[in-house]
Amino acid sequence: GESVGLHLPTLSVQEGDNSIINCAYSNSASDYFIWYKQESGKGPQFIIDIRSNMDKRQGQRVTVLLNKTVKHLSLQIAATQPGDSAVYFCAEGLYGGATNKLIFGTGTLLAVQP
Amino acid sequence: GAVVSQHPSRVICKSGTSVKIECRSLDFQATTMFWYRQFPKQSLMLMATSNEGSKATYEQGVEKDKFLINHASLTLSTLTVTSAHPEDSSFYICSARRSGELFFGEGSRLTVL
Repeated sequence: GESVGLHLPTLSVQEGDNSIINCAYSNSASDYFIWYKQESGKGPQFIIDIRSNMDKRQGQRVTVLLNKTVKHLSLQIAATQPGDSAVYFCAEGLYGGATNKLIFGTGTLLAVQP
Repeated sequence: GAVVSQHPSRVICKSGTSVKIECRSLDFQATTMFWYRQFPKQSLMLMATSNEGSKATYEQGVEKDKFLINHASLTLSTLTVTSAHPEDSSFYICSARRSGELFFGEGSRLTVL
């Protein structure tokens, strides 16, 4: 069942700095990982994904790093902007799985200070 | 623009009533959709996988009779919260796959008084 009284981990950064958000995933069989951004009162928005045959993937201002040995995923955001303030979730699953079922991590609140 | 639409975005109901939430894939067909529930300051918890033309697959601990899922067409899945109680108040989010990528709806916030 769900836990109650949780407080999201919070990362506070200054505008213009780089942000690094970390995630530990649980299933060693997972081979597909996605980072989502969720703004208050909205649904998750896709940021970037990575498959397990890669350890790094870059997008526009974002980079995802995957360390399968320790089951760790990170999201790096360059030159963080106020609009980046949101909750960030990692999700794991099986690429090409019949249902694309994803399991979400606990989330990190990114607070960008102007 | 949005490729998955949810309706209503917000709903308030009295305890004991039933509420239906719709999830539509716009301009694409989705044989599979997913329903998630999210409590404040918590992560998304997968409730069930909705399969067009067949029964939904529920995650462990999710009551099938409480959360009725109907995926009657390739563009529409509905989640009905039956006999809602205050503890059912939550943010319900659906997702659908298009070209290998999962798209999420904007969510529906249910408040049960």
